[in-house]
Amino acid sequence: KQEVTQIPAALSVPEGENLVLNCSFTDSAIYNLQWFRQDPGKGLTSLLLIQSSQREQTSGRLNASLDKSSGRSTLYIAASQPGDSATYLCAVITGNQFYFGTGTSLTVIP
Amino acid sequence: DVKVTQSSRYLVKRTGEKVFLECVQDMDHENMFWYRQDPGLGLRLIYFSYDVKMKEKGDIPEGYSVSREKKERFSLILESASTNQTSMYLCAHGGRLSLNTGELFFGEGSRLTVL
Repeated sequence: KQEVTQIPAALSVPEGENLVLNCSFTDSAIYNLQWFRQDPGKGLTSLLLIQSSQREQTSGRLNASLDKSSGRSTLYIAASQPGDSATYLCAVITGNQFYFGTGTSLTVIP
Repeated sequence: DVKVTQSSRYLVKRTGEKVFLECVQDMDHENMFWYRQDPGLGLRLIYFSYDVKMKEKGDIPEGYSVSREKKERFSLILESASTNQTSMYLCAHGGRLSLNTGELFFGEGSRLTVL
């Protein structure tokens, strides 16, 4: 069964810093990988979707990469802002199922 | 804009009550999912559906049932609510996975408290 791990579980950085969030998965036979943001008490908001044939996707200050062979994805956030504070989750699609990591809780300190 | 509507944001029910959580999507997607999210346990799949009137058990179906009579609507039913079903419930939908379009969209969530 696919297992998805996100390390660290929590991260605190000063405003303006660039940062990287990590996502690893055990089965490289994936369709897609998707990054989400979740604010407290809210649902998940899709940030980026990387299809299995792609190696990266960019949206504004966010860049996500995918290395299927090593079972890893990273989410790069440039010039972090206090509004980026949230929990970030990754999900991989294997077979007909989505598998989620438990997330990284990010705090950006003004 | 993608819209996923969950019928209730906050509910408080008593043990033994029947609870309906409804989810409506406007993207004509085949796949719909119900998850629950608990601190330290992450998202866990309760049920999912690939088409109208179809349903499949997820990882934790016990104590739940679902209904999908129309493509846009997927309902989660707690026949007799129990305190251990207090949780955040999240509905999601996505396109057909076989076409590599499996982007997932979530609703705002329904916070259920069972007393």
